[in-house]
This record gives sequence, structure tokens and C-alpha cells, in this order.
Amino acid sequence: ETGVTQTPRHLVMGMTNKKSLKCEQHLGHNAMYWYKQSAKKPLELMFVYNFKEQTENNSVPSRFSPECPNSSHLFLHLHTLQPEDSALYLCASSQERGGAGANVLTFGAGSRLTVL
Amino acid sequence: AQTVTQSQPEMSVQEAETVTLSCTYDTSESNYYLFWYKQPPSRQMILVIRQEAYKQQNATENRFSVNFQKAAKSFSLKISDSQLGDTAMYFCAFMNPADTDKLIFGTGTRLQVFP
Repeated sequence: ETGVTQTPRHLVMGMTNKKSLKCEQHLGHNAMYWYKQSAKKPLELMFVYNFKEQTENNSVPSRFSPECPNSSHLFLHLHTLQPEDSALYLCASSQERGGAGANVLTFGAGSRLTVL
Repeated sequence: AQTVTQSQPEMSVQEAETVTLSCTYDTSESNYYLFWYKQPPSRQMILVIRQEAYKQQNATENRFSVNFQKAAKSFSLKISDSQLGDTAMYFCAFMNPADTDKLIFGTGTRLQVFP
């Protein structure tokens, strides 16, 4: 049990589909994050939620829509994606906003998304 | 803007040997945090070691140690007595405490440990 669980592990979707990625953490953390990991690129921070409130939207296109119903769950709703959106989407959590000092980020295993 | 550079896309080492992964960064801040994360084939990113810039002593975690050269803005990771389970992607990351939501990652180094 990693503490941060992401589903599905793999997702293939067409450009007109609507799907969602789910992240759940069992660590009692209050901050949750979505990162995008593309081949040969640095990880890109997409969204940050702190105590269910979105505190960061890193210029992400509106075809990605996050939802954080409570501190333990984070969703990423996907619609009308493009092939260049194919990537590994990583969820992470930390005790509170920021991951330095004792508040280190704990990551999930990611959802591998392929857009056809 | 801060940047993190990992100049070695791939490295390999024989089991039980020592390997050093390099990382350089660029910042005008004097206080910050540096991290090494490991991403094995299972894909879960795991924290290996972290360093606070105001601490002169190099961080150590069992077989993992860093060589932190603040003036040179260098933060290399040394893995001693390499094990097969060390095979993974290794990412160097930077965090500015004044902007603590953003972990800035390098592009990673793929390490292969051979028996």
C-alpha cells in the first residue's frame, strides 16, 4: 500500500471522449497535486489543492478540469484531449501546502494516458 | 526563473560499485531545498534524499549521499554498493521556500545496475 492510490493505471481515449482520473490518499494529508510527466521533459506541476481549495493552476488548458471533493480525493476530468496530452499523470500529496522540510510529497504510481 | 539540469540521460553501473549522478541548478535565492527522487519501473516516485541549502553538511541516507556545492550550484547523488533494485529513473528537484508549491524537476537520469 503506497498511501497514494491512482486509478486507472492505464487509459486509452479518443479525442472526443470524456474520462476521469482518480487519486486517493490515506495519509491524512491536506494538500494534493497533479503533475504531468512527458517523455524527456521535466515533470510539470498542473494543479495544487490545499484543504480542498485550489491554490495553483499552472496555466493548464481548460480541457483538464480538476475536482477535489475532500482532502483525501482528487480527480482530473478529461475532455476533448489532444494527442500531445498523452503522458503519465502523477498525483501527490503532502501534509500541507509545500513539500519542503517535513512536508515531503508522496506520489502515486501514476495513470498512463494515451490519446488517439 | 529556477532551472534544474541533469546532463546524463543514462548511466550504468555494476552491482556493488559506486555511481555518481550529476545535477546543477540555477537560482538567485540563498535559501532553498534540493531533492533526489527515484522512479522505478513501478512508476511511483520515491524520495531518496533531501538537502537544505543553509546546511553545509552533506545529507546522507544509508547508501545514498549527496555532494552539495552551493557556490557551484551543484547537487550530485552518490550511490554506494549499488544494488539491482537501484535500477530506476532518478530526478533532481529544487524548491524555493517562498514558492513552496512548485517542485522544479530536471529531466532525469536513467540508471541501470548490472549484475
